[in-house]
Amino acid sequence: DAKTTQPTSMDCAEGRAANLPCNHSTISGNEYVYWYRQIHSQGPQYIIHGLKNNETNEMASLIITEDRKSSTLILPHATLRDTAVYYCAFTGGGNKLTFGTGTQLKVEL
Amino acid sequence: DAGVIQSPRHEVTEMGQEVTLRCKPISGHNSLFWYRQTMMRGLELLIYFNNNVPIDDSGMPEDRFSAKMPNASFSTLKIQPSEPRDSAVYFCASSFGQNYGYTFGSGTRLTVV
Repeated sequence: DAKTTQPTSMDCAEGRAANLPCNHSTISGNEYVYWYRQIHSQGPQYIIHGLKNNETNEMASLIITEDRKSSTLILPHATLRDTAVYYCAFTGGGNKLTFGTGTQLKVEL
Repeated sequence: DAGVIQSPRHEVTEMGQEVTLRCKPISGHNSLFWYRQTMMRGLELLIYFNNNVPIDDSGMPEDRFSAKMPNASFSTLKIQPSEPRDSAVYFCASSFGQNYGYTFGSGTRLTVV
């Protein structure tokens, strides 16, 4: 299974794009990259996932480097409600999802 | 769809007592996962099932922990006997497969005193 590295915390001004990085240099070819967020102690909330191609949905964009060793989650216009812990995670080993340590994103006025 | 349903939301128990956590996955999902979250260790996968069969229980910390999935709509995680270090938030999640997303429940906050 891939191991992940995420910054412990990041700040972002409201209305600006938040770019959250994740390094996963040991990822294998069949492991999907997932991003979740967690607000307080609520259950993790799905944001987006991908395998090789960049992905976009109504919440965010996911940019995966060509070598797949890193990815970036982009929240295009961050709001105060986006303050949360953001986790990148990986599938593999038959379907299990393994989480990184997470980045605490703080969106400020 | 009501999502993944966990019960109870909160559980406070005395050391040595048996604790049973319950999970109802989303109908049609064929994979179910139990996670534990603590400040020190983050989100840890304890065990997961495919089609009601346990596939990987390597994350189960000790023999005091056991999990069952008697049918596609119900799973339990049992701790017997419970210890204070088992205090954590326990999450259940379900999925169609690795390319279809994983949906988490609201969790059970367990406190063992």
